[in-house]
Amino acid sequence: EPEVTQTPSHQVTQMGQEVILRCVPISNHLYFYWYRQILGQKVEFLVSFYNNEISEKSEIFDDQFSVERPDGSNFTLKIRSTKLEDSAMYFCASRETTGAGELFFGEGSRLTVL
Amino acid sequence: QQQVKQSPQSLIVQKGGISIINCAYENTAFDYFPWYQQFPGKGPALLIAIRPDVSEKKEGRFTISFNKSAKQFSLHIMDSQPGDSATYFCAASRETSGSRLTFGEGTQLTVNP
Repeated sequence: EPEVTQTPSHQVTQMGQEVILRCVPISNHLYFYWYRQILGQKVEFLVSFYNNEISEKSEIFDDQFSVERPDGSNFTLKIRSTKLEDSAMYFCASRETTGAGELFFGEGSRLTVL
Repeated sequence: QQQVKQSPQSLIVQKGGISIINCAYENTAFDYFPWYQQFPGKGPALLIAIRPDVSEKKEGRFTISFNKSAKQFSLHIMDSQPGDSATYFCAASRETSGSRLTFGEGTQLTVNP
């Protein structure tokens, strides 16, 4: 069964460092998303990406965040200068089409900022 | 306007019992209401979803009830099993725009054997 894969599964970094989280969406999917989940809290939308550009972003997704689809398979989330409050589980998700398509989530990348 | 409120925060049910989780939304533009199941260390997985043109949808032991006028929807898990123990999130979106899912706060369900 096709799945969304994410790397790394866990990353520990020092405050102020840059972090790149990587995702390989399901191959025929066209819409890509990043969500985050602070421990014990709800899942929060960060950004959606379609046709090589951001289609929507939340208030959380400030100038410290960026997304990129550097090739035909990877979708990355970069945090330029991490803060303590960026510690969370980051989920990549993808959807085949807009509208009726199910959103498939990866298993997440746990980011710990010290 | 974008919020989705979910209750209860946690729920303990005996095996064979019925688990009921409730959600309420504010934005009347929402037109897609999925429920996600999340096991520890895993990503959310779609369990069942409903659109506002129907008031109920059933898939196996899982049923969504939808009340458009009250802006509420609920998940019922019949004959709850220990394997159902997980965190359940309701969510809502404006599906036609392909926009983001807004999640509820989550309900940690424990089904005792």
